[in-house]
Amino acid sequence: DAGVTQSPTHLIKTRGQQVTLRCSPKSGHDTVSWYQQALGQGPQFIFQYYEEEERQRGNFPDRFSGHQFPNYSSELNVNALLLGDSALYLCASSPGWARANTEAFFGQGTRLTVV
Amino acid sequence: DAKTTQPNSMESNEEEPVHLPCNHSTISGTDYIHWYRQLPSQGPEYVIHGLTSNVNNRMASLAIAEDRKSSTLILHRATLRDAAVYYCILRNTGGFKTIFGAGTRLFVKA
Repeated sequence: DAGVTQSPTHLIKTRGQQVTLRCSPKSGHDTVSWYQQALGQGPQFIFQYYEEEERQRGNFPDRFSGHQFPNYSSELNVNALLLGDSALYLCASSPGWARANTEAFFGQGTRLTVV
Repeated sequence: DAKTTQPNSMESNEEEPVHLPCNHSTISGTDYIHWYRQLPSQGPEYVIHGLTSNVNNRMASLAIAEDRKSSTLILHRATLRDAAVYYCILRNTGGFKTIFGAGTRLFVKA
């Protein structure tokens, strides 16, 4: 089992550009959550997808959007990039979106640098 | 969403037990207490979780106070590989939105 796979691992973009990050969940997991982690901080929840719909959202602007595909994989899109969007973006998968007693698996993250 | 409070950092000697505290005074009756850790340059890794009773697994033990307003993660014998940031998180069955705090950075001395 490959666990949670994220691509790319590193990315450099220019202010104002758009970026798409990808996540393949662990086998058997149908719920995907995305987090932003600035240097030296804890992960901040962006949103969660289940059954191809956004189920929960954190305090992030509409520039951040996502998608979940029928095979449970997911994408995170960020439009009009700002310097402050530079961070590690983490994807986590878990089974069953409303189950709180399950283990979530995280990917290694995508390091986004905006210049 | 309920929040947790942890010390910014702790230090331990190798081979000694480590007790990492977490306060969650606003915990609700359906919140599960989860612990994750994050090693340098890696994503967070699940450690343990519990609801009311103390829990043990191969990595650690979780001691939950009777009123559930605090908990303690216990690493029985710290190793250098346990040096990481440890996060105490509350998760609810009514919809999952994990809130991570700043965590506790654990330093392990040889």
